[in-house]
Amino acid sequence: GAGVSQTPSNKVTEKGKYVELRCDPISGHTALYWYRQSLGQGPEFLIYFQGTGAADDSGLPNDRFFAVRPEGSVSTLKIQRTERGDSAVYLCASSRGAAGGRETQYFGPGTRLLVL
Amino acid sequence: DQQVKQNSPSLSVQEGRISILNCDYTNSMFDYFLWYKKYPAEGPTFLISISSIKDKNEDGRFTVFLNKSAKHLSLHIVPSQPGDSAVYFCAAIGNSGAGSYQLTFGKGTKLSVIP
Repeated sequence: GAGVSQTPSNKVTEKGKYVELRCDPISGHTALYWYRQSLGQGPEFLIYFQGTGAADDSGLPNDRFFAVRPEGSVSTLKIQRTERGDSAVYLCASSRGAAGGRETQYFGPGTRLLVL
Repeated sequence: DQQVKQNSPSLSVQEGRISILNCDYTNSMFDYFLWYKKYPAEGPTFLISISSIKDKNEDGRFTVFLNKSAKHLSLHIVPSQPGDSAVYFCAAIGNSGAGSYQLTFGKGTKLSVIP
């Protein structure tokens, strides 16, 4: 595809349930990022992948959050035992990955998660 | 603590006039700054960037100014058009380690350009 795609676009779940959010980066981009945007805030960094490995997961809020990118392309963000405070827009971005943060990060439209 | 601050949540400007969006930062390790534009239900879109070795970067109607000593940057849009109505995020990147690829965003400024 031409851009970063994310599925689902909206997800409503109940407190305590498990959710998976998917990100399809731009073809050929080796760097992939997850951010979370809460209401009234800017996006906040969660995790960064270079290829298949998580180069930095320091932004994940706690061990209920986990992300994988097994083949170096599609990534899945997994949230266990969801809480109401997890409600936010989860944004995925990708970049070519060769030159670190100076490369433009291209964002997907996000997944809007609502935990009831 | 907010390392990138956008103190104006909203701004209204008449079509054809100049829009000035401001951003302040506190982390002296930041050395690369970006502006992203976001429409509702879409992801942020890169607009323009500036390295700390420059004080100005221009791209068409968009100019970003950086005052490193004041830790302040601004985005100027001239002339403003109704299609510029969106939320504008200021973001920064550090010069080493983990901070060199994480974007740190401000809270955004909602710009409304009135026809």
